[in-house]
Amino acid sequence: EDKVVQSPLSLVVHEGDTVTLNCSYEVTNFRSLLWYKQEKKAPTFLFMLTSSGIEKKSGRLSSILDKKELFSILNITATQTGDSAVYLCAVESAGNTGKLIFGQGTTLQVKP
Amino acid sequence: DTAVSQTPKYLVTQMGNDKSIKCEQNLGHDTMYWYKQDSKKFLKIMFSYNNKELIINETVPNRFSPKSPDKAHLNLHINSLELGDSAVYFCASSRSRPGLADRSYEQYFGPGTRLTVT
Repeated sequence: EDKVVQSPLSLVVHEGDTVTLNCSYEVTNFRSLLWYKQEKKAPTFLFMLTSSGIEKKSGRLSSILDKKELFSILNITATQTGDSAVYLCAVESAGNTGKLIFGQGTTLQVKP
Repeated sequence: DTAVSQTPKYLVTQMGNDKSIKCEQNLGHDTMYWYKQDSKKFLKIMFSYNNKELIINETVPNRFSPKSPDKAHLNLHINSLELGDSAVYFCASSRSRPGLADRSYEQYFGPGTRLTVT
């Protein structure tokens, strides 16, 4: 059965710290991996990764995919209280429907 | 200028009732989805429509029936509501049919509908 596992499940840091969130997957016919940030409401899109070893970067956030070892990491440097959220990892499988399979999320709390 | 909108935002109802949730997107996307997010924040796909055609139908009780009158709208009707149906339901849309397109497209989510069944 396809699955996506995120770790840690929750994390508490102080402003200015750097955090690394992990996502490992077992999916038949991998197509892409996506990261979302969920604050109080809708998940908002952060990154999509399809190729190994290529870092995607947006400001203080960056992500990289390892298709050989079947995992991805999301790094946040110089964390701010506004980074507090649930970070969701999802994998799209290829095939007729290509549905997204989500991990259980990592809850990040950044304290001032 | 809301991209993906859902109504209502909150829905409190009693067991056995029938209710509907509506979703609309103004992004010009071809594909729309319904997800259920449980109390542990686990998001799970329920249905997906591409240009009004059902393409994903996960293991969901047949009390749940999606309807897509056009590609900008996807509604979810739930019959005979049960306590276990309490969750946040998210609608999402993406540019193209997943799996068969030449590349992946990110999905954009609506604000969610918090359903509470008492």
